[in-house]
Amino acid sequence: DTGVSQDPRHKITKRGQNVTFRCDPISEHNRLYWYRQTLGQGPEFLTYFQNEAQLEKSRLLSDRFSAERPKGSFSTLEIQRTEQGDSAMYLCASSSPKAGHITYEQYFGPGTRLTVT
Amino acid sequence: GIQVEQSPPDLILQEGANSTLRCNFSDSVNNLQWFHQNPWGQLINLFYIPSGTKQNGRLSATTVATERYSLLYISSSQTTDSGVYFCAVDPEGGGGADGLTFGKGTHLIIQP
Repeated sequence: DTGVSQDPRHKITKRGQNVTFRCDPISEHNRLYWYRQTLGQGPEFLTYFQNEAQLEKSRLLSDRFSAERPKGSFSTLEIQRTEQGDSAMYLCASSSPKAGHITYEQYFGPGTRLTVT
Repeated sequence: GIQVEQSPPDLILQEGANSTLRCNFSDSVNNLQWFHQNPWGQLINLFYIPSGTKQNGRLSATTVATERYSLLYISSSQTTDSGVYFCAVDPEGGGGADGLTFGKGTHLIIQP
């Protein structure tokens, strides 16, 4: 098992452009999360998938953001009409049920660092 | 929403020293995790510890769920322990759907 992977690792874009990030979770993990981390802060939750269903979205996820997880495998996060305030590290995590636990340990990918100029 | 406070915010120690990092949370939780974020931004899992005590080498952690705090102990610090340590919780009742709420972290610097 190679862990959670994310692509690209770095992205520089101009304000107003659209960007898309990809996350490949640990195989057979049915839960997938997206987070955003700005400098000096802890990661903040954006959205959550169980299999292919998007079950929760944070208020941080404006209508310029959209996430998908077709077929319950990899996920994409798209940001339309990027703004300088979107500059951050975008982290993906996945988890899998464990017997006897209500919530499950999350494992994070290396992140995609977005810079909007 | 749930509040997570970590202390101290910054800690500078000499190699070989021991340290204790604290995480206070404002409500009951189903999940508590400790992470180490390396200089490249990767979050490395240290402990999944909603309650009780665990040890892994030079690191150990204790969560007292009834008093809403967790402690991370690092013994015989090494320079490679430097980085930011995060505590993150999943509040009770969320079932994981709200994701983890992170504290602001403790920035640890171990000097040779």
